[in-house]
Amino acid sequence: QSALTQPASVSGSPGQSITISCTGTSSDVGAYNYVSWYQQHPGKPPKLMIFDVNSRPSGVPNRFSGSKSGNTASLTISGLQAEDEADYYCNSYGSSDTAFGTGTKVTVL
Amino acid sequence: EVQLVESGGALVQPGGSLRLSCAASGFTFSTSWMNWVRQAPGKGLEWVAKIKPDGSQTYYVDSVKGRFTISRDNAKNSLFFQMNSLRAEDTAVYYCARDFSYEQFDYWGQGVLVTVSS
Repeated sequence: QSALTQPASVSGSPGQSITISCTGTSSDVGAYNYVSWYQQHPGKPPKLMIFDVNSRPSGVPNRFSGSKSGNTASLTISGLQAEDEADYYCNSYGSSDTAFGTGTKVTVL
Repeated sequence: EVQLVESGGALVQPGGSLRLSCAASGFTFSTSWMNWVRQAPGKGLEWVAKIKPDGSQTYYVDSVKGRFTISRDNAKNSLFFQMNSLRAEDTAVYYCARDFSYEQFDYWGQGVLVTVSS
């Protein structure tokens, strides 16, 4: 399974909304509703932000939301805050080896 | 409180070996799929290996097959990673992580650094 494709960087001003895309194939993102998203701050381990395409673990703010259309999943951060500046990775269950997305650096302007 | 604590990271020469450990607490380890995920300096996440709850099945990324071995001791709530024939490209922070559902990871350790260099 190849790595899922994400934009290298996305930026926005505080309070704005941004969306990060995660493009896979009909064998992974398009076939299963098991897409997850992870936030990683420098020097820290990844943190689960979204699972099952659009579910949030306890403690994750509701300004983080997920969706999927065809072979592309998306993570939307509404009301962007300074602490949201981090790297974000997607992942999808698929037909072969586990593969994370290429990663997106979110910058809060 | 859930904890995953890795240990065993070190500087090792190319061709050398290293054994990582991950001590788990705060959840039912014996029924959990467990994984090793690594991150090379300045790079993205790379899944490396996973093991079934009873230890009967293991899976690896192609680049480490035949060199690395994942194992577990459910009686001691511990996950292990034996790494042999290490290469410079294996240099990374190694995380242990729990797969709670269809390759979705809810618990992560703090990571341990493995540096392969002469």
